[in-house]
Amino acid sequence: EPEVTQTPSHQVTQMGQEVILRCVPISNHLYFYWYRQILGQKVEFLVSFYNNEISEKSEIFDDQFSVERPDGSNFTLKIRSTKLEDSAMYFCASRSSAGGTYNEQFFGPGTRLTVL
Amino acid sequence: AQSVTQPDIHITVSEGASLELRCNYSYGATPYLFWYVQSPGQGLQLLLKYFSGDTLVQGIKGFEAEFKRSQSSFNLRKPSVHWSDAAEYFCAVVLWNTDKLIFGTGTRLQVFP
Repeated sequence: EPEVTQTPSHQVTQMGQEVILRCVPISNHLYFYWYRQILGQKVEFLVSFYNNEISEKSEIFDDQFSVERPDGSNFTLKIRSTKLEDSAMYFCASRSSAGGTYNEQFFGPGTRLTVL
Repeated sequence: AQSVTQPDIHITVSEGASLELRCNYSYGATPYLFWYVQSPGQGLQLLLKYFSGDTLVQGIKGFEAEFKRSQSSFNLRKPSVHWSDAAEYFCAVVLWNTDKLIFGTGTRLQVFP
């Protein structure tokens, strides 16, 4: 069964460093997302991406964040200068557009980011 | 305020007992409704969804959910819980004019043998 994959599973970085979180969405999906979950809190939407551009972003997704689909398979989230409060589990998700109806989002296993 | 509410933070049940997890939403129009499960160290897995039609929907792992428009609720049920159902359960919605999931705060289910 196709699945969303994410690497690395755990990333430890120093405050102020840049990190890139990587995701491989399901191959025929066209809509891509990043969410995050701070420990003990609910899952929060960061950004959605379609047709090589951001379609929606939350207030959390400020200038420190960027997303990219550098090739036909990867979808990345970059944090330019990490802060302590960026420590969280980051989930990638993807969605198909097949069938002409809204389809559910499929999630990856997450990358746990720890900023020291 | 517009939100997704899961009033139960933590629920403990005995194996074999029935289960109901509550979810309420407060939006003007009925959103698309979802239940996801997160096992420890795992990602989010979709249990079931409701878009329209029959208000009782069946999902994976023996779960079902009932949409009640009058109560703005979408409660998750299972007639007999298994120890492997211990996990965190999230109710989520997608509003008609967006493409993002809005999650509730989650309910942690603990199952005793």
